[in-house]
Amino acid sequence: DAGVTQSPTHLIKTRGQHVTLRCSPISGHKSVSWYQQVLGQGPQFIFQYYEKEERGRGNFPDRFSARQFPNYSSELNVNALLLGDSALYLCASSMGQGQNIQYFGAGTRLSVL
Amino acid sequence: ILNVEQSPQSLHVQEGDSTNFTCSFPSSNFYALHWYRWETAKSPEALFVMTLNGDEKKKGRISATLNTKEGYSYLYIKGSQPEDSATYLCAFLNDYKLSFGAGTTVTVRA
Repeated sequence: DAGVTQSPTHLIKTRGQHVTLRCSPISGHKSVSWYQQVLGQGPQFIFQYYEKEERGRGNFPDRFSARQFPNYSSELNVNALLLGDSALYLCASSMGQGQNIQYFGAGTRLSVL
Repeated sequence: ILNVEQSPQSLHVQEGDSTNFTCSFPSSNFYALHWYRWETAKSPEALFVMTLNGDEKKKGRISATLNTKEGYSYLYIKGSQPEDSATYLCAFLNDYKLSFGAGTTVTVRA
């Protein structure tokens, strides 16, 4: 069985541009969470979606948005990119919410120039 | 923002030695604590999900304990091997959000 897949693996953008990151969860998983990880820090929670509804949002500006599709895949969108948005973006899927183990993808490395 | 602290930030262990490190988290509104192992160039891999005070979980040579009343968890590696080299992350679950610590990076020297 395929694990969590993210695309693209690497991305280079310039300030002010928009970016869309994609995530496919493990088959049967209904929850997808997004995290931002910068060097030297742990992953920071951005969003959680469960059954296509936003169930949690971290402390990120409105430039960050996401959605979950009927097949449970998800997109993370970031508008008006800033240099500080350069990071590894991780997606994780789980069967449900709460105590369920989260299975992570390998991440998308975003560089904003 | 929930304060999840891990210490030490990094440690070096001789192959065959045992080691342990700490995760501290808020002791109120506890729901669950997750431990993950993150090897370079790979995805974070779940080790344990701990929910009950006094919980002790084991996976091979790695084990973890949980004290929810005082807000800490220990992760132990017995007889460290080079393949144990990784960053170990703990994450506190609250209101469906995982708050991660910055991790403890373990380097096992042969």
